[in-house]
Amino acid sequence: GAVVSQHPSRVICKSGTSVKIECRSLDFQATTMFWYRQFPKQSLMLMATSNEGSKATYEQGVEKDKFLINHASLTLSTLTVTSAHPEDSSFYICSPGGGSYNEQFFGPGTRLTVL
Amino acid sequence: GDSVTQMEGPVTLSEEAFLTINCTYTATGYPSLFWYVQYPGEGLQLLLKATKADDKGSNKGFEATYRKETTSFHLEKGSVQVSDSAVYFCALSTPHGSSNTGKLIFGQGTTLQVKP
Repeated sequence: GAVVSQHPSRVICKSGTSVKIECRSLDFQATTMFWYRQFPKQSLMLMATSNEGSKATYEQGVEKDKFLINHASLTLSTLTVTSAHPEDSSFYICSPGGGSYNEQFFGPGTRLTVL
Repeated sequence: GDSVTQMEGPVTLSEEAFLTINCTYTATGYPSLFWYVQYPGEGLQLLLKATKADDKGSNKGFEATYRKETTSFHLEKGSVQVSDSAVYFCALSTPHGSSNTGKLIFGQGTTLQVKP
């Protein structure tokens, strides 16, 4: 299957700082990137969908100015959590799409803890 | 909108017991259905899938049948092992543009604990 990496795997930051999470699809060109968030003991919730070279589409209730998504290339997408607060602490997971695979693959996730 | 509902956990079983995790869905159109598994400390992995009514997905002894008439996709395994302990997510997908893949809508997840 496809290989998807995320960096960092874990980050702890102070309230008010910004954190950038990278997602790379290592062996196929991801024309689409889905970003999910998973709170402890809860399901994954789609935050936004981005297409390479265009602006992301955010799900209802997700602040686009707080969660900045950049999908500048077919192998890299970034999610920046701006001015992070403790309630942003969560597990963020990327999922590239658009390749020839007929299934969705997921990155290993990034655990964000905001103090 | 589209949604997925799973039975609440945790589900605790003894090794070699029979497993059923119920999943029902609501969707417009004809979604694809999936079961994903998340082992402790790891990312989501696809366990099995079915893309049309009456299809049966199977993998590693797990199976699920796409039942359009009951809008269900229950996960079953005849004999669980300790190594099956994980969180299981039922999900549906509708196509995104011309791609075969699309955004996934997940159920809330069911934690399975298998004791020796």
